[in-house]
Amino acid sequence: AQKVTQAQTEISVVEKEDVTLDCVYETRDTTYYLFWYKQPPSGELVFLIRRNSFDEQNEISGRYSWNFQKSTSSFNFTITASQVVDSAVYFCALSVLYSGGGADGLTFGKGTHLIIQP
Amino acid sequence: ETGVTQTPRHLVMGMTNKKSLKCEQHLGHNAMYWYKQSAKKPLELMFVYSLEERVENNSVPSRFSPECPNSSHLFLHLHTLQPEDSALYLCASSPDIKDTQYFGPGTRLTVL
Repeated sequence: AQKVTQAQTEISVVEKEDVTLDCVYETRDTTYYLFWYKQPPSGELVFLIRRNSFDEQNEISGRYSWNFQKSTSSFNFTITASQVVDSAVYFCALSVLYSGGGADGLTFGKGTHLIIQP
Repeated sequence: ETGVTQTPRHLVMGMTNKKSLKCEQHLGHNAMYWYKQSAKKPLELMFVYSLEERVENNSVPSRFSPECPNSSHLFLHLHTLQPEDSALYLCASSPDIKDTQYFGPGTRLTVL
């Protein structure tokens, strides 16, 4: 069985500060995807990034960056120079891929509520 | 319309009512999903459809009945629900069952 842990229930920072959201996952499978989604107050989950288990390269997209480390089973998300519009609940998720071509649905963490204060 | 749409956005129903949630995707995807998001639990996968066939049912009570008449539409039929079924129900779609899922805005369901 898969498990995703987001230990930070809520984080509050002042605008322009950098903030890192932690994600630790558990799986016995070797082929999987990791995801981050953003859920603003409107409720819709917005896809941010997907990483393949064989690709440990860190990724940067504007103010967002992701640090994937298989050795610690972590996939952390950093927002640089945070803005009020970044306020949302952020979910880390895992999907296992099977050799036959199928996949599990997403296993989500409980989410981290990020509050950016002006 | 583009993306994944869900109707209604809000629904209040009694325990004896029968209602249906509708999801429509305009992305040309082949897989569709229902998730439940309640205050006390993480997002939970309920059902997965690939090419209109159900491929996963995550031990969901029979009072929830999915229907996928074609690759663009997914329904969740509800009957004799319980107050603890009150939650945000999210629909998602993906090009293939292995691919990234894109979510709709959800239906906020309240069972009285």
